Amino acid sequence: EPEVTQTPSHQVTQMGQEVILRCVPISNHLYFYWYRQILGQKVEFLVSFYNNEISEKSEIFDDQFSVERPDGSNFTLKIRSTKLEDSAMYFCATSGERTGELFFGEGSRLTVL
Amino acid sequence: KQEVTQIPAALSVPEGENLVLNCSFTDSAIYNLQWFRQDPGKGLTSLLLIQSSQREQTSGRLNASLDKSSGRSTLYIAASQPGDSATYLCAVPYGGSQGNLIFGKGTKLSVKP
Repeated sequence: EPEVTQTPSHQVTQMGQEVILRCVPISNHLYFYWYRQILGQKVEFLVSFYNNEISEKSEIFDDQFSVERPDGSNFTLKIRSTKLEDSAMYFCATSGERTGELFFGEGSRLTVL
Repeated sequence: KQEVTQIPAALSVPEGENLVLNCSFTDSAIYNLQWFRQDPGKGLTSLLLIQSSQREQTSGRLNASLDKSSGRSTLYIAASQPGDSATYLCAVPYGGSQGNLIFGKGTKLSVKP
């Protein structure tokens, strides 16, 4: 069964450092998303990406964050100058249709020290 | 603003019991509603997607219903098994967005052997 693959599964970084989280979408999917889940809290939407541009972003997704799909396969989330409160599980999700079912990866756990 | 509430927050049942998980949402103008399962420290597994034009959707022992007018959905699990133990999340798209899902906090289900 096709699946969304995320790397790394866990990353520990020092406050102020930059991290890049990677996602390999399901091959025929065109809509890509990043979500995050702070421990014990709800899953929150960060950004949606379609046709090589951001289609929607939440208030959380400020200038500290960026996304791109540099090589037509990997979909990346870059977090610059990480803060303690960026510690969370980050999920990539993809969909084959605009209002279709979302499929999530296993997540990348980010720990900022 | 769309808000999603799930009741109960936690549920413990003996193996073999049929059970119902509840999800309510404040804005009935939704494209669809999706139910997910999340195991501890893991990603989200899509269980069922109900389009706004549908009343219910079935997959194996799972049956999800949707009543848009009342802002409610239920997930029925028949003949529960210990392997069903997980947190169950429901989510709806926010407004006309592309995959900006608003999640509930989930119902943590424990099925005792």
